This record gives sequence, structure tokens and C-alpha cells, in this order.
Amino acid sequence: AIRMTQSPSSFSASPGDRVTITCRASRDIDIYLAWFQQKSGKAPKLLIYDATLLESGVPSRFSGNGSGTDFTLTISRLQSEDFATYYCQHYYTYPETFGQGTKVEIK
Amino acid sequence: EVQLVQSGAEVKKPGESLKISCKASGYRFTNYWIGWVRQMPGKGLEWMGIIYPGDSDTRYSPSPSFQGRVTISADKSITTASLQWSSLEASDTAVYYCARRNREARWETSTYDIWGQGTMVTVSS
Repeated sequence: AIRMTQSPSSFSASPGDRVTITCRASRDIDIYLAWFQQKSGKAPKLLIYDATLLESGVPSRFSGNGSGTDFTLTISRLQSEDFATYYCQHYYTYPETFGQGTKVEIK
Repeated sequence: EVQLVQSGAEVKKPGESLKISCKASGYRFTNYWIGWVRQMPGKGLEWMGIIYPGDSDTRYSPSPSFQGRVTISADKSITTASLQWSSLEASDTAVYYCARRNREARWETSTYDIWGQGTMVTVSS
């Protein structure tokens, strides 16, 4: 199975900060990568798909980049509602797998 | 409105069987893959498997937690996907989510845009 490794696992940031989360695949997954946001007790919410495409209704401060094995999720100006856990997921082949998650906390 | 509504929380004993459901509405059920994802308490997301309701083509994660231990099915007549166990273990305690692929495509891969609210399964003696 393809292993997805996110970094960092957690960090603290302040509202207004620009933050970047990295996801690395253990082998080439082309552009078949998604990013999800999950808040406590809630289902994951799709933010980005096909590595760079913004899901309808998601604020433009979220952006995705990358292809092959290295990907990033950037939040241009962190807002209070963005403090959550973020997961990458590949859907290149079966089994699909998720990264271990990155928790973004308030500094 | 496109939505997936899952069945309610369950409390079971080890060795018991269980079937949880995911009722789809607002779209053509047969044309979108539906996947299942596990989240153990305080942990991350794990992909379990997926089904295409149109022809019941099903794929499972090879993880020993899932392969051979769970069965994914779909009933077109009631637009419902299901996840079942014949013999639960304490390690099956988790929240289980169903989710719909975001492309209406039998042969094209895609991710998940619509998620159910989750079903909490607790297995304890």
C-alpha cells in the first residue's frame, strides 16, 4: 500500500498566519490527492481534490500544490474557524490511504 | 439536497454481529461509488473499502482489521449502503463514516465530497 506521510504532526499558529502542511507519498500518485479538514466530533470536509482544485464553497485562502510524491496545503491567512485537523488522502489506486493528520492549534 | 444519513450509535458485546447503514438521497445512487472510513478514538482516518452500487463491485483494504472481517454491500431498492461484521472485537470500537465519490464515473478514480454524519460503534463486554 502507498504510505502517506504528513508533516508536521501538529503545530501552533496565530490568526492571520500563513501556514503550510506537507504530504509525501511513498510512490508516484500523479495528481490523485485530496485534502480534508476535520473538526472534533464532525465528519471530514473536502477542501482540495486532484491536488490543486478547490472544492465548491471552500474559501480561497485554502490552496493545494504538487504532483507525483510531494504535496502541500497552504492556508494564506489563518482564521479562527481553521483550527482543526487536516488529512491528505491519495486515491491513485486501491487501497486508498490517508496521512496521519496534522493538528493546527491556536498559539 | 445530496446527503448520506447513517444509522445510530451501537453498543455491542464481543462476538456479536452488527450491520450499520448509510442511506443516500438527492442523487442517482447507482452511479457513484460509496466508501467506508474508520476512525478509532483519538486516531486518524483509515480507508476500509468501497462499493459501486450499480453492480456491487466491491474493493477492500488488505489490512487484517478489515479484509475478511467486514462485508460492504448496497441495496439499490432502498438506496442504502451497509457495513457489517459477523463477530465483533473490542478493537472494532470506532466511528465509521460512509462517503460518496465526487465524480459520477464507474471507471475513473476520485475522492469523497459527501460524508455521512458517522456511526459510533462501541464493543465492550
